[in-house]
Amino acid sequence: KQEVTQIPAALSVPEGENLVLNCSFTDSAIYNLQWFRQDPGKGLTSLLLIQSSQREQTSGRLNASLDKSSGRSTLYIAASQPGDSATYLCAVRYLDQAGTALIFGKGTTLSVSS
Amino acid sequence: DTGVSQDPRHKITKRGQNVTFRCDPISEHNRLYWYRQTLGQGPEFLTYFQNEAQLEKSRLLSDRFSAERPKGSFSTLEIQRTEQGDSAMYLCASSQWDRGEAFFGQGTRLTVV
Repeated sequence: KQEVTQIPAALSVPEGENLVLNCSFTDSAIYNLQWFRQDPGKGLTSLLLIQSSQREQTSGRLNASLDKSSGRSTLYIAASQPGDSATYLCAVRYLDQAGTALIFGKGTTLSVSS
Repeated sequence: DTGVSQDPRHKITKRGQNVTFRCDPISEHNRLYWYRQTLGQGPEFLTYFQNEAQLEKSRLLSDRFSAERPKGSFSTLEIQRTEQGDSAMYLCASSQWDRGEAFFGQGTRLTVV
């Protein structure tokens, strides 16, 4: 079964810390991987999309890496701020997935204290 | 371009009633997806349209669920004879091409009482 796992489920850090969120997937045959942010009761905001041929993508204080061989992606957040508090979701498109559906992890809920 | 728009944002209904949700994708996007998200879980795929054609349906989409996308523009998701287990956030997403970056709406929160 093609699954996506995110560890830890929750993370609390003081403002200013650099942090890493982890995502693992069960099959290295992926098309791409997308990181999202979700605020409580809201929809998903796309943060970064990494194609299978890429190793990393950067946007501002965010950097996402992809290692297909080990089935892992990380989202690095530099100099965290209270406004970064949200749930971060990782989603994968597998190559042989019928249709083009994203398979999501359960997310990591981040709390940044001031 | 205002992004993906969903209506209503919240819906409370009695068990057994029918409900319909609407999604307006980003204008140039011809791929449209519906997902369902329950508390503490990631979104789960329900169905997918390319233009007006419904190309994929998840096993989660029971016979009580139906989705349409007339003329390849907005989409509706109808749930008939709602059950308490249908309570969830229903999310719509669109993308410009197959397997392209997905953009999500704010979701419709359904509560069945």
